[in-house]
Amino acid sequence: DAGVIQSPRHEVTEMGQEVTLRCKPISGHNSLFWYRQTMMRGLELLIYFNNNVPIDDSGMPEDRFSAKMPNASFSTLKIQPSEPRDSAVYFCASSTEGRGYGPRGYEQYFGPGTRLTVT
Amino acid sequence: DQQVKQNSPSLSVQEGRISILNCDYTNSMFDYFLWYKKYPAEGPTFLISISSIKDKNEDGRFTVFLNKSAKHLSLHIVPSQPGDSAVYFCAASAAQISSGSARQLTFGSGTQLTVLP
Repeated sequence: DAGVIQSPRHEVTEMGQEVTLRCKPISGHNSLFWYRQTMMRGLELLIYFNNNVPIDDSGMPEDRFSAKMPNASFSTLKIQPSEPRDSAVYFCASSTEGRGYGPRGYEQYFGPGTRLTVT
Repeated sequence: DQQVKQNSPSLSVQEGRISILNCDYTNSMFDYFLWYKKYPAEGPTFLISISSIKDKNEDGRFTVFLNKSAKHLSLHIVPSQPGDSAVYFCAASAAQISSGSARQLTFGSGTQLTVLP
């Protein structure tokens, strides 16, 4: 079975440009999470969706960041305009509540990540 | 304020010996704990988990121990193999207050395990 799919795997862009990261969760999972990993802050949750609805976006650093989930199989994280401090690895993860893989379904399954470099 | 702490950034052990990775937490509302393994250029991979109603969970070479009174958990790998060399993240979860919302995970900063052949 396919895991969480993210694209692109690498993105290099210039400051001020718009960046769109994409994620396809595991089929049947009803929760989707966007994380950012940096050396300074480790793995931090940016936003998560449950049944395509944004539940908590308190981790989104500022208004330049936005995320959407138009359907159960696709989500985007957009940065506009991008800045050098946005350089990081962005992970998408999905999970299912109370059913599926784990004994209680709380495990999140991560994609391979998108390494973003903003110059 | 870090709610999940992994105080050892790195650990080296000899192949065949036991690896012990430690994790401390501060939030008493956490009731589910997970360990993830991460190789370079890959996403974290779920390894093993434990509910707060248990104090031990075992899966093959991996065992997680939970000490609720000390707010401490550990991951034991026996015997350690060179392929176990990776960054290990501890994560914790609490039940959400509102229904219909998913459980969030709070991650520690990770421990780089190196298993020497």
